[in-house]
Amino acid sequence: QSALTQPASVSESPGQSITISCTGTSSDVGAYNYVSWYQQHPGKAPKLMIYDVSNRPSGVSNRFSGSKSGNTASLTISGLQAEDEADYYCTSYTSSNTWVFGGGTKLTVL
Amino acid sequence: QVQLVESGGGVVQPGGSLRLSCAASGFTFSSYGMHWVRQAPGKGLEWVTFISDDGNSKWYANSAKGRFIISRDDSRSTVYLQMNSLRPEDAAVYYCAKDLAGHYIFDYWGQGTLVTVSS
Repeated sequence: QSALTQPASVSESPGQSITISCTGTSSDVGAYNYVSWYQQHPGKAPKLMIYDVSNRPSGVSNRFSGSKSGNTASLTISGLQAEDEADYYCTSYTSSNTWVFGGGTKLTVL
Repeated sequence: QVQLVESGGGVVQPGGSLRLSCAASGFTFSSYGMHWVRQAPGKGLEWVTFISDDGNSKWYANSAKGRFIISRDDSRSTVYLQMNSLRPEDAAVYYCAKDLAGHYIFDYWGQGTLVTVSS
C-alpha cells in the first residue's frame, strides 16, 4: 500500500494554468478509472473535485479537469484564482480492495 | 443536504481504546458504503477502512488490520470505528466519508474528530 507520488508543491500566478501529476502502479491508477482528486483548505475537510479520472461533480468549476495515461493521472487547473490555493490529493482504488492517497501537493497562487 | 458528523475523539493512552461515531443525514444511509479516512497533524490523508452498504464487506488498511473494527447501525444512520491497541502514530483527525456507489470514491466528508494518543 505505497502512497501515490505527487509533487510536494507547485506555484503559479493568477490566470495561469498548472498540472499536478499523480503516479501509481498497474495495481491502482493503471488498473482502474477510479482516480479522484480532492481539494483541502487549511483546517477544513477535503472536497471532491474530480472523480472517475475526469468527471466533475455538480458545482465544481470547469476550470478543473482530470486525465490519465498509464499509471499516471493528472489534475489541471486553468485560470488560477486566489481561492484555488490549497492542498490537493489524488486517490485511487486498488486491486487489493483498498484505497491509496497521494502525498498531497500544496498549490500556491503567487 | 448530506451531513456527516463525527464524534468520540479525545486523548487516550498508548494501548488504549476509543470508539468513534459518525452520524449521517440527508441521504438514504442504508444504501451507501462508508469510509474512515485519517490525517495526522501536518500530514497527508490516509484511508483507514470501508464498510459496504449491507455491512457484509469490510476492508482495512494494513495499519488498521487486527486493531480497528468498522461497523454500522442503519437504524441510527451511524457508522462506527472501534480502535483498539492505539499507538502514538494513530494520532490524527479522523474523517468519515460517504462512498459514491459504483465509483469507489469519497463524495461527502464530515468535519473530522481529533484523536490524540499520548501518555
